[in-house]
Amino acid sequence: KNEVEQSPQNLTAQEGEFITINCSYSVGISALHWLQQHPGGGIVSLFMLSSGKKKHGRLIATINIQEKHSSLHITASHPRDSAVYICAVSDRNTDKLIFGTGTRLQVFP
Amino acid sequence: NAGVTQTPKFRILKIGQSMTLQCTQDMNHNYMYWYRQDPGMGLKLIYYSVGAGITDKGEVPNGYNVSRSTTEDFPLRLELAAPSQTSVYFCASSSDRYNEQFFGPGTRLTVL
Repeated sequence: KNEVEQSPQNLTAQEGEFITINCSYSVGISALHWLQQHPGGGIVSLFMLSSGKKKHGRLIATINIQEKHSSLHITASHPRDSAVYICAVSDRNTDKLIFGTGTRLQVFP
Repeated sequence: NAGVTQTPKFRILKIGQSMTLQCTQDMNHNYMYWYRQDPGMGLKLIYYSVGAGITDKGEVPNGYNVSRSTTEDFPLRLELAAPSQTSVYFCASSSDRYNEQFFGPGTRLTVL
């Protein structure tokens, strides 16, 4: 079993829909990261959080440390949101990042 | 600032050939990392460095070597390329182990 699990693996949506991507992890962590990888391949960091909730524009990330679960929400989705969204956790013991396999999101006009 | 740059963007190698993947960052970050990304898998850490002159193995170091002679540069060396090293390689940097990592654009390597 992977230490970081994401669901769903693939997601399609119509423009304007509310999107939720989930991440569960099994190790003790110091932080959780949400990353975005566009079709061109580049990876950018969206959020780093260790508790509660963060918001940036139409993106919202939440984390529940007790349940070892995080969600990434996209409100009013747009075709330009089409990308792979990757969850990664900073292992509390090693400080290394452990990555999920990603959720591929396609938003159609 | 250019951030993290990687060269080359693409490369095809024959089995047994050697090459160096270059990585440079201009953010004065102490921490630098090399990852590989295989289809359907999460990124895996190959090597990392916490400062000039200091490197350590990650999860999948076999077949690779690194050096860190300056803060800016962190090259990854493949000595005897094998088909199992076909992958996309990402370099990343961060100011310290608790902060977000900044990724380079990646190098797509094919070994035939």
